[in-house]
Amino acid sequence: GNSVTQMEGPVTLSEEAFLTINCTYTATGYPSLFWYVQYPGEGLQLLLKATKADDKGSNKGFEATYRKETTSFHLEKGSVQVSDSAVYFCALWGNEKLTFGTGTRLTIIP
Amino acid sequence: ETGVTQTPRHLVMGMTNKKSLKCEQHLGHNAMYWYKQSAKKPLELMFVYSLEERVENNSVPSRFSPECPNSSHLFLHLHTLQPEDSALYLCASSDNLAGTYNEQFFGPGTRLTVL
Repeated sequence: GNSVTQMEGPVTLSEEAFLTINCTYTATGYPSLFWYVQYPGEGLQLLLKATKADDKGSNKGFEATYRKETTSFHLEKGSVQVSDSAVYFCALWGNEKLTFGTGTRLTIIP
Repeated sequence: ETGVTQTPRHLVMGMTNKKSLKCEQHLGHNAMYWYKQSAKKPLELMFVYSLEERVENNSVPSRFSPECPNSSHLFLHLHTLQPEDSALYLCASSDNLAGTYNEQFFGPGTRLTVL
């Protein structure tokens, strides 16, 4: 079956630091890939997506590139802010359902 | 109200209690989902309803019983739960166009604690 593996947290960074959260996947066919974000006390929100190889999804300064050769979809941001503190989930769409990773808790300190 | 709402936000229950979680979506969607979010585990899809019919049941124990009376409302009835059922229960909704990804919109969840 499909699966998503993302780096375990928690991750703590200082404001304006560079962020990378690794995500790799196992899937048959050509899945679509996503990053969701969950702010404290809220539900998951779609942050960005990519639907085919070499696509780059971007939103709110975050980026991720669909790398089929390495089956990866790493999340990056050049300069994080305190407001980026949240839990980030990597996910893929395949076999008519979303498969999620375990989530990575990110804390940004001023 | 906008988006997807869930009530209650927090629930503490004993193993012999019966309670229900409620989800309501105001987005005009016709598919609804229940997920279980436990610490250090991937989100687990529990149930999917499409056009008010259950289309997926991922081997969930019978102590969890879903109900979808219409396309805007989804319930999860709970009875004789176990402490390991303590988790955040998330509801989501989407359009139900088959064969393509339909963005799912999530509610804030119900934090359930089973004593």
